[in-house]
Amino acid sequence: ETGVTQTPRHLVMGMTNKKSLKCEQHLGHNAMYWYKQSAKKPLELMFVYNFKEQTENNSVPSRFSPECPNSSHLFLHLHTLQPEDSALYLCASSQDNSNNEKLFFGSGTQLSVL
Amino acid sequence: QQQVKQSPQSLIVQKGGISIINCAYENTAFDYFPWYQQFPGKGPALLIAIRPDVSEKKEGRFTISFNKSAKQFSLHIMDSQPGDSATYFCAAQRTYKYIFGTGTRLKVLA
Repeated sequence: ETGVTQTPRHLVMGMTNKKSLKCEQHLGHNAMYWYKQSAKKPLELMFVYNFKEQTENNSVPSRFSPECPNSSHLFLHLHTLQPEDSALYLCASSQDNSNNEKLFFGSGTQLSVL
Repeated sequence: QQQVKQSPQSLIVQKGGISIINCAYENTAFDYFPWYQQFPGKGPALLIAIRPDVSEKKEGRFTISFNKSAKQFSLHIMDSQPGDSATYFCAAQRTYKYIFGTGTRLKVLA
């Protein structure tokens, strides 16, 4: 195990639903990330938190809302999603967000939007 | 300028053969070039990485070759094994910003 746990592993939701993805890291890291992984596309960085402060919002639509209550937990709140939002959502952590820190990924949440 | 181009998209290699995956970047500000390995149902995991002041780095059966002038780098897997079957992502990094390639799905035949 990588020390980064994501729940749920799979999620199916309608476009009018509200759901949340959860990520927890047990590595003592200070930076946490949300990535989106779609087939045949590069991993897309969505959000970055360093010491609980959001340091990056990569032009993500407002229907995705991150929350980082402490350095160990990260949430992604979802509402009124579109079918094109179906993807694997990966959480990652690193020691901090300085130079060349290794990323530790969770196993992801496979999201299907109907 | 922020793209990392990766090829091939998929690769089939016989057991014991050499697997080669290539990547090219444009932005010379990148200062770290990691490769991540992803098995089905798992997140990517760091495999090996190189800095641009080194032309080659080897860890076991895995070697990165780096050509700074051509802005290209490649992953070589020697003596490929069925357990190496996975998707491989190259990346170019500066600070916490990774730019990933599109991935190469490797299948090693037994």
